[in-house]
Amino acid sequence: QQQVKQSPQSLIVQKGGISIINCAYENTAFDYFPWYQQFPGKGPALLIAIRPDVSEKKEGRFTISFNKSAKQFSLHIMDSQPGDSATYFCAASETGANNLFFGTGTRLTVIP
Amino acid sequence: EAQVTQNPRYLITVTGKKLTVTCSQNMNHEYMSWYRQDPGLGLRQIYYSMNVEVTDKGDVPEGYKVSRKEKRNFPLILESPSPNQTSLYFCASSPLGERTQYFGPGTRLTVL
Repeated sequence: QQQVKQSPQSLIVQKGGISIINCAYENTAFDYFPWYQQFPGKGPALLIAIRPDVSEKKEGRFTISFNKSAKQFSLHIMDSQPGDSATYFCAASETGANNLFFGTGTRLTVIP
Repeated sequence: EAQVTQNPRYLITVTGKKLTVTCSQNMNHEYMSWYRQDPGLGLRQIYYSMNVEVTDKGDVPEGYKVSRKEKRNFPLILESPSPNQTSLYFCASSPLGERTQYFGPGTRLTVL
């Protein structure tokens, strides 16, 4: 069973547009929600992460929005660039745990 | 350079022929983990280790073995590979108590 549900599976966005990827979870013990970015032929790498005590975290063009009551979080990529084309994974982990539960991934393509 | 290395990067083998994929990290991390990545299924954890001689099953451990005799190494062993183990495998590590996982470059395994 997938502990973190991610959508959409794929996304095509024009350069300069906003990319939005959504994730949802049920486990209320989750207290850490990272997003990983994976380029073709590479391993995933941490992009940005949030804890449930805040509703939003922004790093440059990347923003995580977190809705604790709805158990949902999303990644927004502003001013999307062709270099952002990659697969994005949301994930979650429980309090004090190193184990991450990953979503199924979203393949983002940014068209020039 | 701080990194996680995996060998081999690519492997084609036949059903039933035992193989080992090595994983090594030079960051003195206690936690190490193996994942497999399949289209539409995301990253699924196979086994993880919290420290030397401490290993535990992840979500999809069937058909795999691991060992952790040294802190830096965490090999993945397929005693009798089958075609359904054809996948992209990633090793990751992190310090205990820190949530960021550092991934290796991946091993693409094909079992014929």
